[in-house]
Parts: sequence; C-alpha cells; structure tokens
Amino acid sequence: DIQMTQSPSSLSASVGERVTITCRASQTISKYLSWYQQKPGKAPELLIFGASSLHSGVPSRFSGSGSGTEFTLTISSLQREDFATYFCLQTYSTPRTFGLGTYVEIK
Amino acid sequence: QVQLVQSGAEVKKPGASVRVSCQASGYSFRTYDISWVRQAPGQGLEWMGWISAYTGNTKYAQKLQGRVTLTTDTSTSTAYMELRDLRSDDTAFYYCARDFMISGWYLFDSWGQGTLVTVSS
Repeated sequence: DIQMTQSPSSLSASVGERVTITCRASQTISKYLSWYQQKPGKAPELLIFGASSLHSGVPSRFSGSGSGTEFTLTISSLQREDFATYFCLQTYSTPRTFGLGTYVEIK
Repeated sequence: QVQLVQSGAEVKKPGASVRVSCQASGYSFRTYDISWVRQAPGQGLEWMGWISAYTGNTKYAQKLQGRVTLTTDTSTSTAYMELRDLRSDDTAFYYCARDFMISGWYLFDSWGQGTLVTVSS
C-alpha cells in the first residue's frame, strides 16, 4: 500500500497569513493527488485534483503543486472560513490512501 | 446538482451487521463509480472499497475483505455498503463518494453527508 505522510498535523495561523501543507507519498504517484477540506461534522469537500488543478467553485487563494512523491497545498491568504482540517488522497492505485490530516486553527 | 444522500445513524451490537445506503441524484448513476470511506471519531479517513455502478465490479481494502460487501441498485440509483461481524472499532462515520475522473485524474468530487454507525453492547 502507498503511505501518505502529511505534515504538519496541526498549525496555528492568523487571518491573512500564507499557509503551506505537505504530503509525501511512499512511492511515486505521478500527479494522482487530490486535496480536501473538512469542517467539523461535515463531509470532506474537494479543493484540488491532479495535484494542481483547482476544482470548480474553489477560491483561487487555494493552490496545489508537486508530482511524483512530494506535494504541497498552499493557501495564499488565510480567511476565517478556511479554518478546518485538510487531507490529501492518492488515487494512483488501490487501496486509495489518505494523509492523516492537518488541522488549521486560528492563532 | 450532484447529490449523495445517505441513510440515518445506526446503533448495533458487536457481531451484528449494518447496511448503509447512498442515493444519488443529479447525474447518470451508472456512469460513475462509488467509493466508501470511513472515519472513526477524531481520526483520519480510511478507504473501504470501490464499486463500478456500470459493471458492479468491486475492489475492497484488504483489511475489510470478507466482512464488507458493496452493491448498487441502478433502478433506484442507490449504492449500499454492508459490514458484517461488527466490532467496537468499526464505530465511525461512513461516507459514500463519487469516484470520478477529470482530465485523466481520479478524485472524489461529491460526498454523502455521512452515516454514524455506533457499535456497542
């Protein structure tokens, strides 16, 4: 199985700050990597697919980069509604595997 | 718009079975696959398996092989997840998600609202 190592597990940031979250795959996954946002009590929502493509309706302050084994989600200017948990997911092979998540809280 | 609506919360005793439904609307059900994902309270996400709504082909996480069965009913655009021989560590929110491909990349673009399954004696 492909292991997804996500870091950090949590971070504190202020509104307006730039935030970066990383996922590393245990083997190459090309760009079969997507990012999701999950708020308490809600289902995850797709932000980024194909490592760097913005899903329809997602604000442009979200961006993704990377290929192979290292990937990054960046929020260019954190907004109040962005405080949530973020997960990466590899869809290169089955079983699909997720990162453990990054909890983004208000500083 | 695409919607996946799941059945309500369940409370089960250890050793019992549970079946969770996921009714799709807003798209051609047979055209897309469905994955099931679960999340224990306060924990990360775990992929359980996948079913093609077109062929009925399935693939399961090895950890759950033999205890989980995914099916679909195309007449009602509904996917089902059955988990047998429940244990306390099966307590989790269970989600269905449309397993979709855009520009060659696979992703989960729509999710059900989640179904809490509690296993307790």
